Amino acid sequence: AQKVTQAQTEISVVEKEDVTLDCVYETRDTTYYLFWYKQPPSGELVFLIRRNSFDEQNEISGRYSWNFQKSTSSFNFTITASQVVDSAVYFCALSANTGNQFYFGTGTSLTVIP
Amino acid sequence: EPEVTQTPSHQVTQMGQEVILRCVPISNHLYFYWYRQILGQKVEFLVSFYNNEISEKSEIFDDQFSVERPDGSNFTLKIRSTKLEDSAMYFCASRNRESGELFFGEGSRLTVL
Repeated sequence: AQKVTQAQTEISVVEKEDVTLDCVYETRDTTYYLFWYKQPPSGELVFLIRRNSFDEQNEISGRYSWNFQKSTSSFNFTITASQVVDSAVYFCALSANTGNQFYFGTGTSLTVIP
Repeated sequence: EPEVTQTPSHQVTQMGQEVILRCVPISNHLYFYWYRQILGQKVEFLVSFYNNEISEKSEIFDDQFSVERPDGSNFTLKIRSTKLEDSAMYFCASRNRESGELFFGEGSRLTVL
């Protein structure tokens, strides 16, 4: 069975602080994809990153970075020097090559306080 | 980059009315999906569609829901008789044969009064 757990329901940080959003996943598939999406108050799902299970290299994109660790089944997301515009709900998700579904975590609501 | 497009972006309807939400998936994709997100809650799987038929559906996808791909480009979700609890954001998604990567549309917000 596939499952994604985002244990942090809500996080508040002060602007310019760094913040890490945790994501732990479960799957029996050897080939799978992991994703992060941002959902601002307007409601759309904004794609941030996808990672396949064979690529454990960490990635940095501007103030965003992702740490994929297969050994702990985690795919954590760090925002450096947070800004008010980062305030949103962030979803981690898993897609496996078997089955049809795309599994979302319950989301972490991030509030960046000016 | 190719994208999934959804219309309408927002629809308001009266309880009991029929609603059709439309999606244009990415053109070379073969697998199509609808997901639902009730305000403030998790994104939930509704249904997947491949080769002109439903391949998997969740408990949420009851007899009030139907999907079709009428013309080879649009992928629609119909709710026959809307209920208040159908108020949600509905997301369409598609993927190609080789990849597990799903591409999502921006969503259609349905408000049932």
